[in-house]
Amino acid sequence: GAVVSQHPSWVICKSGTSVKIECRSLDFQATTMFWYRQFPKQSLMLMATSNEGSKATYEQGVEKDKFLINHASLTLSTLTVTSAHPEDSSFYICSSEPGQGAMGYTFGSGTRLTVV
Amino acid sequence: QKEVEQDPGPLSVPEGAIVSLNCTYSNSAFQYFMWYRQYSRKGPELLMYTYSSGNKEDGRFTAQVDKSSKYISLFIRDSQPSDSATYLCAMFTGGFQKLVFGTGTRLLVSP
Repeated sequence: GAVVSQHPSWVICKSGTSVKIECRSLDFQATTMFWYRQFPKQSLMLMATSNEGSKATYEQGVEKDKFLINHASLTLSTLTVTSAHPEDSSFYICSSEPGQGAMGYTFGSGTRLTVV
Repeated sequence: QKEVEQDPGPLSVPEGAIVSLNCTYSNSAFQYFMWYRQYSRKGPELLMYTYSSGNKEDGRFTAQVDKSSKYISLFIRDSQPSDSATYLCAMFTGGFQKLVFGTGTRLLVSP
């Protein structure tokens, strides 16, 4: 089946530093990648939608300068949290749709970011 | 009013019980309906995918969609402790449109 590989699975960084999260589609071309964040015991909140080769579309309230998304190829999308602060600590998940019929959206395994 | 409503639970059942999980929605344009299972600190795992109205069965899982009532359900038969997780309903209109999620229902199956 379609697999999205997400790395790292967890990361701790100091306040003010930047962190990059990668999502790779292993057996399909991810034309579109969705980035979510999830707080404890809450549902997924869509942050942005990225399309290969074009600028990402951010949801209302999401700072595009803080959450940089790059989707330079059909198999790789990255999310960089710039100048991270403790309030950015969260669970970040990427997702894509293989586009091969009734497959549904497949998710990465998530990245737990802790900013200290 | 949220586009998708889902009881957050927790829902506690004994092993072997039949579990019923539900979501209601307000956007009649939704065509594709999914149920995901999410274990703690993991990404959601697709369980069931349904297009338009009807039923779909896969092993112990049955998904139902009633578009006239804007109501979807997931039934789990012979529930197991390993089914303990958060179950998220999700839906979208089509194409590469964004998924809209319910809040998730936390299920606890006790041995």
